Amino acid sequence: EDQVTQSPEALRLQEGESSSLNCSYTVSGLRGLFWYRQDPGKGPEFLFTLYSAGEEKEKERLKATLTKKESFLHITAPKPEDSATYLCAVPRDAGKSTFGDGTTLTVKP
Amino acid sequence: SAVISQKPSRDICQRGTSLTIQCQVDSQVTMMFWYRQQPGQSLTLIATANQGSEATYESGFVIDKFPISRPNLTFSTLTVSNMSPEDSSIYLCSGAGTGGYNEQFFGPGTRLTVL
Repeated sequence: EDQVTQSPEALRLQEGESSSLNCSYTVSGLRGLFWYRQDPGKGPEFLFTLYSAGEEKEKERLKATLTKKESFLHITAPKPEDSATYLCAVPRDAGKSTFGDGTTLTVKP
Repeated sequence: SAVISQKPSRDICQRGTSLTIQCQVDSQVTMMFWYRQQPGQSLTLIATANQGSEATYESGFVIDKFPISRPNLTFSTLTVSNMSPEDSSIYLCSGAGTGGYNEQFFGPGTRLTVL
């Protein structure tokens, strides 16, 4: 059974303090990986799809990378508006996804 | 991508009653899913809503408790039946299949409180 583990559970940063979130997975065959952002009281918002190991995607202050065993979401010089829960997920059968428990990021001004 | 709306956005219901949540997508999607999310926790998949046929339920969820309809490619409903306080949660629908890789697009959620 696919497993997705995210760390840390929570991360508190000062504005401008760069860091990384980790998503490690155990799957029978890597078919890509998704990152989502979820703000309180809202549904998850799709950010990136990484299709294969070695791929990178960027969006504003976020850069996602993928290896054969894990993915990182790098946040460069974060701002308070980057505060959210970040979820990663791996595709599984019939179009479904297995989600991690998320990392809650808080960026203090 | 797809834009997804849900109704109602929130509700407070009495024990033993039922609530139907509607999910509307602004474009045709191949797949639609229903999730439950407790505050501060991750997503739990309830079922896949299949167009014109019975939904496919995940382990621990049954049709009698969570009947689902999907009459076309852009609309689905989830009913939470015979509710108890344990059903208090956020219910989310999602659509997938607009792109090539089944990334999901989520509705804003329905916050349900059962008294």
